[in-house]
Amino acid sequence: DSGVTQTPKHLITATGQRVTLRCSPRSGDLSVYWYQQSLDQGLQFLIQYYNGEERAKGNILERFSAQQFPDLHSELNLSSLELGDSALYFCASSVDQVGAGRDTQYFGPGTRLTVL
Amino acid sequence: GDSVTQMEGPVTLSEEAFLTINCTYTATGYPSLFWYVQYPGEGLQLLLKATKADDKGSNKGFEATYRKETTSFHLEKGSVQVSDSAVYFCALMTGGSYIPTFGRGTSLIVHP
Repeated sequence: DSGVTQTPKHLITATGQRVTLRCSPRSGDLSVYWYQQSLDQGLQFLIQYYNGEERAKGNILERFSAQQFPDLHSELNLSSLELGDSALYFCASSVDQVGAGRDTQYFGPGTRLTVL
Repeated sequence: GDSVTQMEGPVTLSEEAFLTINCTYTATGYPSLFWYVQYPGEGLQLLLKATKADDKGSNKGFEATYRKETTSFHLEKGSVQVSDSAVYFCALMTGGSYIPTFGRGTSLIVHP
């Protein structure tokens, strides 16, 4: 158990819909990362938050957005869903207390999104 | 930008065989290097890491040495077990960009 929790575990929805994935980082961790994992694209970094602020953006679509709240939990919002958005979405957290961005990441168990 | 290249899998071995999974990288600055492992149905977990040149990371019989001259961080284990069957990811992080870079992963299958 990494200490990172993600809800829900599974999500099935239809094209065009909007969903919200939730992540609670390990206690004390300031950084939260979001990833998408699919068979054809591998593990893709989406976005990172550090202590409530967006710090780095990767291959995140404009239909996707995220935020980190004052209690440090984070939410990833996916809208206008397409079949190709079906994937595993992972959240990870790291301590990163000095803000150097080099710390070990601790991954949650993931949310499996299926778009029908 | 930064990048990580891993050997393509799957790598199929018999139990007690020697394992090497190659990983090379390109990065600006001096990255920290990581190996993560993903068991079926789970998230990634750290296997080992190294933060500077010539450091050796080790854990559960796995080892990798940070080679700056060859920009490599190859994963090795002397005797694999069936329970080592998983997907292994090489990754780097540099302090400047804050963007973690992962390889595509290498699937390891160990037969009894």
